[in-house]
Amino acid sequence: DVKVTQSSRYLVKRTGEKVFLECVQDMDHENMFWYRQDPGLGLRLIYFSYDVKMKEKGDIPEGYSVSREKKERFSLILESASTNQTSMYLCASSLSAGTTYLEQYFGPGTRLTVT
Amino acid sequence: GIQVEQSPPDLILQEGANSTLRCNFSDSVNNLQWFHQNPWGQLINLFYIPSGTKQNGRLSATTVATERYSLLYISSSQTTDSGVYFCAVDAGGTSYGKLTFGQGTILTVHP
Repeated sequence: DVKVTQSSRYLVKRTGEKVFLECVQDMDHENMFWYRQDPGLGLRLIYFSYDVKMKEKGDIPEGYSVSREKKERFSLILESASTNQTSMYLCASSLSAGTTYLEQYFGPGTRLTVT
Repeated sequence: GIQVEQSPPDLILQEGANSTLRCNFSDSVNNLQWFHQNPWGQLINLFYIPSGTKQNGRLSATTVATERYSLLYISSSQTTDSGVYFCAVDAGGTSYGKLTFGQGTILTVHP
C-alpha cells in the first residue's frame, strides 16, 4: 500500500515564525503536491514537484516555498507565518505514465494554527 | 480553468439506504478521482476512474467522459460511511497533474 506521512497532525505557531511542514512517501513516486483546505474554499494547490529539485507554483504560492532534496521528501516552508495561513495542509504523491499523471494518494494532513 | 460541481451538497440517510452522488465537470479530463474525507481530515481514495465503471464492495462509480459527469453509488449505507465525499479532476495540459476538487457532498448516515 502507498503510504504518505506528514510530520505533525496538529501544529501551533506564532505570527512571524518560520514553519516547516514535512511530507514523506514510500512508493518512489516522482510527483508530490501540497494543498491547503479551507472552509468554503475547498482544496487548493500550493506547489507541485515532478522530480528532485524541481518545483512548480500552483494556484496560491504566495507566502510559501518548497524544497525537494530527496525523491521521497517534499517540504513546505512558511517563511514568516501569518494568521491567514491557518489551515489544513495536505500532501499528496503520484506516479506518472508518460505524460499522464496517475492516482494521487494523500497524507493524513496537518492542522496548522497561527496565532 | 475547469469547473467541478457536486450534488447534492448535503445528504441525510437512514442506515441501509442507497444513494447516488453526482459530479459534473466543465471540460475534458485526463483523470478523475473520488475521495472520502473522514472526520479526522484524511482523504481516503475510493476510485480512480477517468472513464468506465468500477466496483469496490458496496461502492461503485461510473464516469461518462464524453458527457462530462461521474456518479458514485453507495449501497446499504452504514454509519461509517458518514463524512464528506469529494470528486477531483485532472484537466491535463499544463495542469501538471493538479487536481481540481468539487465542493463536496456531506453525507450523514443515521443508525
